[in-house]
Amino acid sequence: GIQVEQSPPDLILQEGANSTLRCNFSDSVNNLQWFHQNPWGQLINLFYIPSGTKQNGRLSATTVATERYSLLYISSSQTTDSGVYFCAVDFNKFYFGSGTKLNVKP
Amino acid sequence: DAGVIQSPRHEVTEMGQEVTLRCKPISGHNSLFWYRQTMMRGLELLIYFNNNVPIDDSGMPEDRFSAKMPNASFSTLKIQPSEPRDSAVYFCASTETMNTEAFFGQGTRLTVV
Repeated sequence: GIQVEQSPPDLILQEGANSTLRCNFSDSVNNLQWFHQNPWGQLINLFYIPSGTKQNGRLSATTVATERYSLLYISSSQTTDSGVYFCAVDFNKFYFGSGTKLNVKP
Repeated sequence: DAGVIQSPRHEVTEMGQEVTLRCKPISGHNSLFWYRQTMMRGLELLIYFNNNVPIDDSGMPEDRFSAKMPNASFSTLKIQPSEPRDSAVYFCASTETMNTEAFFGQGTRLTVV
């Protein structure tokens, strides 16, 4: 199957800081999604982004499909951004990375 | 739409008992996925359906696991007999078609004692 690698595995930020999360994948994919798993375990859609760049408030994402990576940018982080961020790639079925665990401290 | 609905939210059962998890996908969505999440293995795809037909069940861990989708609005994942190592959070997700945005339910936390 497709290999999905996320980095860094853990990230601690002070509130207000910016960060970049990376997702590398091993093969061509049909689409890519970023999810946030909150402390209550809910998986929340952030972006559906097979290619290009999208922005939603303080979050934005860029996927360069030809180079097999995607980046998630978090600006002016808040404590509510804490949780685990997953990248999932789809080649007929979703393959999840192991996630980046983010802890934003007040 | 209320999103993907899973029930129950929590299930505690004794080893050897049968467990049935339920999922209602988003109306109009044609593909449905069952995932399991554990600390050791992360999020694993167990099985997925397209138009109510199982397409790939290679992720189902063993014969004790079975899944059905009798109609477009309902799916079940059954474990019989359950074992302590089946303890995990089980998620259901649906997409409008193959290769489109996936939406996840809130999950069922299963504990087998």
